[in-house]
Amino acid sequence: QKEVEQDPGPLSVPEGAIVSLNCTYSNSAFQYFMWYRQYSRKGPELLMYTYSSGNKEDGRFTAQVDKSSKYISLFIRDSQPSDSATYLCAMKVALTGGGNKLTFGTGTQLKVEL
Amino acid sequence: DSGVTQTPKHLITATGQRVTLRCSPRSGDLSVYWYQQSLDQGLQFLIQYYNGEERAKGNILERFSAQQFPDLHSELNLSSLELGDSALYFCASSRSGSGELFFGEGSRLTVL
Repeated sequence: QKEVEQDPGPLSVPEGAIVSLNCTYSNSAFQYFMWYRQYSRKGPELLMYTYSSGNKEDGRFTAQVDKSSKYISLFIRDSQPSDSATYLCAMKVALTGGGNKLTFGTGTQLKVEL
Repeated sequence: DSGVTQTPKHLITATGQRVTLRCSPRSGDLSVYWYQQSLDQGLQFLIQYYNGEERAKGNILERFSAQQFPDLHSELNLSSLELGDSALYFCASSRSGSGELFFGEGSRLTVL
C-alpha cells in the first residue's frame, strides 16, 4: 500500500464548476499537507500549505485536512480553463538527523472545458 | 518563475553513460532537494541537502550521487545509466525545513 493515495483521473469539468480533489494517507507521522499544481512539462508549484485539521482558504482555493480520517481535499471554486493541470497532494514528515521529505501523491489530471 | 534554475533542460544519452545535472537554488535558500518523476512512479524523493550537508535520503540508487557546494548549488550525478533511468529530474529548494518547496523546471533525461 502506498503512503499517499490519489485518484489519477483524468477529471473533466465544465468552466465554472466546483472541483474536489482528494488524497488519503496512511502515515500518522505526516505533519504538513500541501497541494501543488503542475502544468505539462513544468515543475510543480505550491498552491496551498496547511498544518492543522480544518479549512484554509486562498482565493478560489480551499484546502481541507481531516487528520482523524487521514484525508485531505482541495476545492476549486469557479474553475477556469487555466486551472487545467495535474494537482499533486504532498505530505511532509520530519526525519531523524534534521532532514525532512515530502511524499507526493501520483497526481490528479484536471481538465476544465469551455 | 520559481527562482530555481536547472541545467540542462534536456539530455539524451546511451546506456552505461554518466551524466551530471545541475541546480541553482533560490537566493537565500539553504535546502536543496532532488526528485525523480516518471510516468508510472510519480514524484519520488531522492535526497536532501542543507547548507552543504546531506540531511535525508530517499529512494536514491547507489549509482546516483549528489552534493551541494559552498555556493549552495547542487549537482546530481547519475552513472551506469539504464533505460529505466529515463525520467524528469527535479530540483527544489526551500528556506527552512517547512516543506514549502520551490521547484525548478526539471531536467528531462532520455537513456537510449
